[in-house]
Amino acid sequence: GIQVEQSPPDLILQEGANSTLRCNFSDSVNNLQWFHQNPWGQLINLFYIPSGTKQNGRLSATTVATERYSLLYISSSQTTDSGVYFCAGQETSGSRLTFGEGTQLTVNP
Amino acid sequence: EPEVTQTPSHQVTQMGQEVILRCVPISNHLYFYWYRQILGQKVEFLVSFYNNEISEKSEIFDDQFSVERPDGSNFTLKIRSTKLEDSAMYFCASSKVRDGTQYFGPGTRLLVL
Repeated sequence: GIQVEQSPPDLILQEGANSTLRCNFSDSVNNLQWFHQNPWGQLINLFYIPSGTKQNGRLSATTVATERYSLLYISSSQTTDSGVYFCAGQETSGSRLTFGEGTQLTVNP
Repeated sequence: EPEVTQTPSHQVTQMGQEVILRCVPISNHLYFYWYRQILGQKVEFLVSFYNNEISEKSEIFDDQFSVERPDGSNFTLKIRSTKLEDSAMYFCASSKVRDGTQYFGPGTRLLVL
Protein backbone atom coordinates (compact mmCIF):
# COMPACT_ATOMS: atom_id res chain seq x y z
CA GLY A 1 0.00 0.00 0.00
CA ILE A 2 0.94 3.63 -0.33
CA GLN A 3 2.48 5.70 2.44
CA VAL A 4 1.10 9.16 3.18
CA GLU A 5 3.02 11.76 5.17
CA GLN A 6 1.69 15.14 6.21
CA SER A 7 3.48 18.21 7.44
CA PRO A 8 3.55 20.09 9.65
CA PRO A 9 1.93 17.98 12.40
CA ASP A 10 0.79 21.10 14.23
CA LEU A 11 0.20 24.67 13.11
CA ILE A 12 -0.91 27.67 15.13
CA LEU A 13 -2.03 30.82 13.32
CA GLN A 14 -3.53 34.18 14.06
CA GLU A 15 -6.84 34.89 12.41
CA GLY A 16 -6.29 36.35 8.95
CA ALA A 17 -3.02 34.54 8.28
CA ASN A 18 -2.39 32.24 5.33
CA SER A 19 -1.05 28.69 5.55
CA THR A 20 0.13 25.80 3.42
CA LEU A 21 -0.27 22.17 4.43
CA ARG A 22 1.71 19.48 2.63
CA CYS A 23 0.98 15.85 1.83
CA ASN A 24 3.60 13.51 0.35
CA PHE A 25 2.67 10.08 -0.91
CA SER A 26 4.84 7.15 -1.83
CA ASP A 27 3.29 5.85 -5.01
CA SER A 28 1.04 6.88 -7.84
CA VAL A 29 -2.51 7.59 -6.81
CA ASN A 30 -5.74 7.83 -8.71
CA ASN A 31 -7.62 9.47 -5.86
CA LEU A 32 -6.26 12.11 -3.53
CA GLN A 33 -8.66 13.70 -1.10
CA TRP A 34 -8.36 16.39 1.54
CA PHE A 35 -10.63 16.37 4.59
CA HIS A 36 -11.26 18.64 7.52
CA GLN A 37 -12.17 16.91 10.77
CA ASN A 38 -14.22 19.29 12.85
CA PRO A 39 -14.38 19.36 16.67
CA TRP A 40 -17.35 16.94 16.59
CA GLY A 41 -15.24 14.37 14.74
CA GLN A 42 -16.97 14.65 11.39
CA LEU A 43 -14.85 14.27 8.25
CA ILE A 44 -15.76 17.01 5.84
CA ASN A 45 -14.75 16.58 2.20
CA LEU A 46 -12.67 19.49 0.98
CA PHE A 47 -11.23 18.35 -2.32
CA TYR A 48 -10.98 15.37 -4.60
CA ILE A 49 -7.79 16.23 -6.45
CA PRO A 50 -5.72 13.42 -8.00
CA SER A 51 -3.95 16.06 -10.10
CA GLY A 52 -4.08 19.75 -10.95
CA THR A 53 -5.44 22.67 -8.96
CA LYS A 54 -8.86 23.40 -7.51
CA GLN A 55 -10.23 26.30 -5.52
CA ASN A 56 -13.22 26.61 -3.23
CA GLY A 57 -13.54 29.98 -1.56
CA ARG A 58 -10.59 30.59 0.74
CA LEU A 59 -9.28 27.08 0.21
CA SER A 60 -7.35 25.74 -2.72
CA ALA A 61 -5.40 22.59 -3.41
CA THR A 62 -2.76 21.49 -5.86
CA THR A 63 -1.59 17.96 -6.56
CA VAL A 64 1.53 17.20 -8.59
CA ALA A 65 1.10 13.48 -9.09
CA THR A 66 4.41 12.99 -10.93
CA GLU A 67 6.25 14.42 -7.90
CA ARG A 68 3.95 12.71 -5.40
CA TYR A 69 2.78 15.61 -3.32
CA SER A 70 -0.28 17.70 -2.71
CA LEU A 71 -0.65 21.10 -1.06
CA LEU A 72 -3.64 22.62 0.69
CA TYR A 73 -3.72 26.41 0.92
CA ILE A 74 -5.85 28.24 3.45
CA SER A 75 -6.06 31.99 3.00
CA SER A 76 -7.35 34.57 5.47
CA SER A 77 -7.82 31.88 8.10
CA GLN A 78 -10.76 32.04 10.52
CA THR A 79 -11.23 30.44 13.93
CA THR A 80 -13.73 28.05 12.36
CA ASP A 81 -10.90 26.64 10.24
CA SER A 82 -9.46 25.03 13.36
CA GLY A 83 -9.38 21.25 13.46
CA VAL A 84 -7.42 18.43 11.91
CA TYR A 85 -6.73 18.33 8.19
CA PHE A 86 -6.18 14.93 6.64
CA CYS A 87 -5.06 13.96 3.19
CA ALA A 88 -5.76 10.46 1.93
CA GLY A 89 -4.59 8.64 -1.15
CA GLN A 90 -5.89 5.68 -3.06
CA GLU A 91 -3.48 3.59 -5.08
CA THR A 92 -4.37 2.71 -8.64
CA SER A 93 -4.94 -0.99 -7.96
CA GLY A 94 -7.06 -0.81 -4.81
CA SER A 95 -10.13 0.77 -3.27
CA ARG A 96 -8.92 1.77 0.18
CA LEU A 97 -8.01 5.32 1.13
CA THR A 98 -4.77 5.54 3.11
CA PHE A 99 -4.79 8.51 5.46
CA GLY A 100 -1.92 10.59 6.71
CA GLU A 101 -1.45 11.44 10.38
CA GLY A 102 -3.07 14.83 9.89
CA THR A 103 -2.17 18.45 10.59
CA GLN A 104 -3.72 19.94 13.73
CA LEU A 105 -4.55 23.56 12.88
CA THR A 106 -5.38 26.08 15.57
CA VAL A 107 -6.50 29.55 14.52
CA ASN A 108 -6.49 32.06 17.36
CA PRO A 109 -8.68 35.19 17.35
CA GLU B 1 -27.34 17.39 -1.16
CA PRO B 2 -27.35 13.61 -0.58
CA GLU B 3 -25.29 12.42 2.34
CA VAL B 4 -24.22 9.25 4.10
CA THR B 5 -26.05 8.67 7.37
CA GLN B 6 -25.05 6.46 10.29
CA THR B 7 -26.83 5.13 13.36
CA PRO B 8 -26.40 5.19 16.24
CA SER B 9 -24.24 8.25 16.79
CA HIS B 10 -22.93 6.80 20.05
CA GLN B 11 -22.93 3.27 21.45
CA VAL B 12 -21.67 1.94 24.74
CA THR B 13 -21.34 -1.81 25.14
CA GLN B 14 -19.79 -4.38 27.43
CA MET B 15 -16.75 -6.36 26.37
CA GLY B 16 -17.77 -9.56 24.64
CA GLN B 17 -21.08 -8.22 23.38
CA GLU B 18 -22.05 -8.04 19.72
CA VAL B 19 -22.69 -4.66 18.12
CA ILE B 20 -24.13 -3.73 14.76
CA LEU B 21 -23.34 -0.35 13.28
CA ARG B 22 -25.65 0.87 10.55
CA CYS B 23 -25.11 3.07 7.54
CA VAL B 24 -27.24 4.34 4.68
CA PRO B 25 -24.90 5.18 1.78
CA ILE B 26 -25.75 7.74 -0.90
CA SER B 27 -28.47 6.17 -3.01
CA ASN B 28 -26.78 5.91 -6.42
CA HIS B 29 -23.40 4.86 -5.05
CA LEU B 30 -22.08 1.38 -5.69
CA TYR B 31 -18.97 1.16 -3.48
CA PHE B 32 -19.18 1.08 0.29
CA TYR B 33 -16.50 1.30 2.95
CA TRP B 34 -15.90 1.14 6.68
CA TYR B 35 -13.07 2.97 8.38
CA ARG B 36 -12.24 3.48 12.03
CA GLN B 37 -10.37 6.08 14.03
CA ILE B 38 -9.05 5.36 17.49
CA LEU B 39 -9.08 8.52 19.60
CA GLY B 40 -6.17 10.79 18.69
CA GLN B 41 -5.00 8.63 15.81
CA LYS B 42 -5.40 8.63 12.06
CA VAL B 43 -8.28 7.12 10.13
CA GLU B 44 -7.73 3.46 9.18
CA PHE B 45 -9.38 1.44 6.43
CA LEU B 46 -11.31 -1.67 7.44
CA VAL B 47 -13.17 -3.00 4.41
CA SER B 48 -14.63 -2.15 1.03
CA PHE B 49 -17.75 -3.74 -0.46
CA TYR B 50 -18.98 -3.88 -4.03
CA ASN B 51 -21.55 -5.97 -5.86
CA ASN B 52 -22.58 -7.69 -2.63
CA GLU B 53 -19.15 -8.92 -1.71
CA ILE B 54 -16.01 -7.74 0.03
CA SER B 55 -13.59 -6.31 -2.51
CA GLU B 56 -10.76 -5.44 -0.15
CA LYS B 57 -10.06 -5.72 3.57
CA SER B 58 -7.29 -4.71 5.91
CA GLU B 59 -5.44 -6.79 8.47
CA ILE B 60 -7.63 -5.17 11.15
CA PHE B 61 -10.73 -6.75 9.62
CA ASP B 62 -10.42 -10.19 11.20
CA ASP B 63 -13.01 -12.91 11.82
CA GLN B 64 -14.80 -10.92 14.50
CA PHE B 65 -15.90 -8.37 11.88
CA SER B 66 -18.47 -8.85 9.15
CA VAL B 67 -20.33 -6.61 6.74
CA GLU B 68 -23.67 -6.98 5.08
CA ARG B 69 -26.00 -5.14 2.76
CA PRO B 70 -29.29 -6.59 3.99
CA ASP B 71 -31.48 -4.55 1.65
CA GLY B 72 -31.18 -1.93 -1.05
CA SER B 73 -30.32 0.91 1.27
CA ASN B 74 -28.53 -0.25 4.43
CA PHE B 75 -24.92 -1.31 4.93
CA THR B 76 -23.94 -2.76 8.27
CA LEU B 77 -20.77 -3.57 10.21
CA LYS B 78 -21.04 -6.27 12.85
CA ILE B 79 -18.48 -6.83 15.57
CA ARG B 80 -19.18 -10.26 17.04
CA SER B 81 -17.44 -10.11 20.39
CA THR B 82 -16.22 -6.64 21.22
CA LYS B 83 -12.87 -5.98 22.86
CA LEU B 84 -11.67 -2.93 24.73
CA GLU B 85 -9.44 -2.02 21.79
CA ASP B 86 -12.46 -1.83 19.47
CA SER B 87 -13.36 1.47 21.10
CA ALA B 88 -13.14 3.99 18.28
CA MET B 89 -15.09 6.18 15.90
CA TYR B 90 -16.39 4.09 13.00
CA PHE B 91 -17.01 5.83 9.70
CA CYS B 92 -19.01 4.56 6.79
CA ALA B 93 -18.28 5.94 3.32
CA SER B 94 -19.57 5.46 -0.19
CA SER B 95 -18.50 6.32 -3.72
CA LYS B 96 -20.10 6.13 -7.13
CA VAL B 97 -17.07 4.56 -8.79
CA ARG B 98 -14.04 2.77 -7.34
CA ASP B 99 -11.64 5.69 -7.74
CA GLY B 100 -14.16 8.46 -7.20
CA THR B 101 -14.72 10.75 -4.26
CA GLN B 102 -15.49 8.85 -1.08
CA TYR B 103 -18.14 10.58 1.01
CA PHE B 104 -18.04 9.92 4.73
CA GLY B 105 -20.86 9.68 7.22
CA PRO B 106 -20.79 11.46 10.59
CA GLY B 107 -19.49 8.37 12.39
CA THR B 108 -20.56 6.13 15.25
CA ARG B 109 -18.56 6.54 18.43
CA LEU B 110 -18.23 3.09 20.03
CA LEU B 111 -17.10 2.68 23.61
CA VAL B 112 -16.38 -0.84 24.91
CA LEU B 113 -16.28 -1.17 28.70
